[in-house]
Amino acid sequence: AQTVTQSQPEMSVQEAETVTLSCTYDTSESDYYLFWYKQPPSRQMILVIRQEAYKQQNATENRFSVNFQKAAKSFSLKISDSQLGDAAMYFCAYRGTNSGYALNFGKGTSLLVTP
Amino acid sequence: KAGVTQTPRYLIKTRGQQVTLSCSPISGHRSVSWYQQTPGQGLQFLFEYFSETQRNKGNFPGRFSGRQFSNSRSEMNVSTLELGDSALYLCASSLAEGVSGNTIYFGEGSWLTVV
Repeated sequence: AQTVTQSQPEMSVQEAETVTLSCTYDTSESDYYLFWYKQPPSRQMILVIRQEAYKQQNATENRFSVNFQKAAKSFSLKISDSQLGDAAMYFCAYRGTNSGYALNFGKGTSLLVTP
Repeated sequence: KAGVTQTPRYLIKTRGQQVTLSCSPISGHRSVSWYQQTPGQGLQFLFEYFSETQRNKGNFPGRFSGRQFSNSRSEMNVSTLELGDSALYLCASSLAEGVSGNTIYFGEGSWLTVV
């Protein structure tokens, strides 16, 4: 089974600064998708960014970008120009054939943004 | 375009009772999946339905069941409730099943407390 590990239970960043959240995963598949979801206090899971494993180019969505290292099975999220509204739980998730296309989530990283 | 709608949002049940949660997917989405979120176990996949058929099931006891209707709306049922079933139950929808890259959109969840 695929496992997703987020080694940072909590992170803190100052407004306007940059922060990187780490994620590693274990898989024997070559074709899969990786996602970062944000869960604010409302508890609704919001998709932040996604990465196709077959694409070497790192995905970018405005202030959010990823560093995808397929050989190292690493998928980190960089948030630039952090804003107060970025404060939330961030979950890394894996989706592939062997899991029946179910999302496998990491335990999450709680991000605190300070003024 | 309306998002994924879950009802009820909050409910309290007594041990031994049963509960039914409802989910209306995004219009046009035919795949509905359910996840359980608890502080201890994190986010865990329950099951996925497509075209009224269960396509995938997570590692949960038979007390957890679900179904999907012809309009893609889904319900999940938990019988003989236990204290450990207290959780946030998240419903998610996507366009089709079996495609890793399809974005999965989540509802705001149903908070279940078992006393």
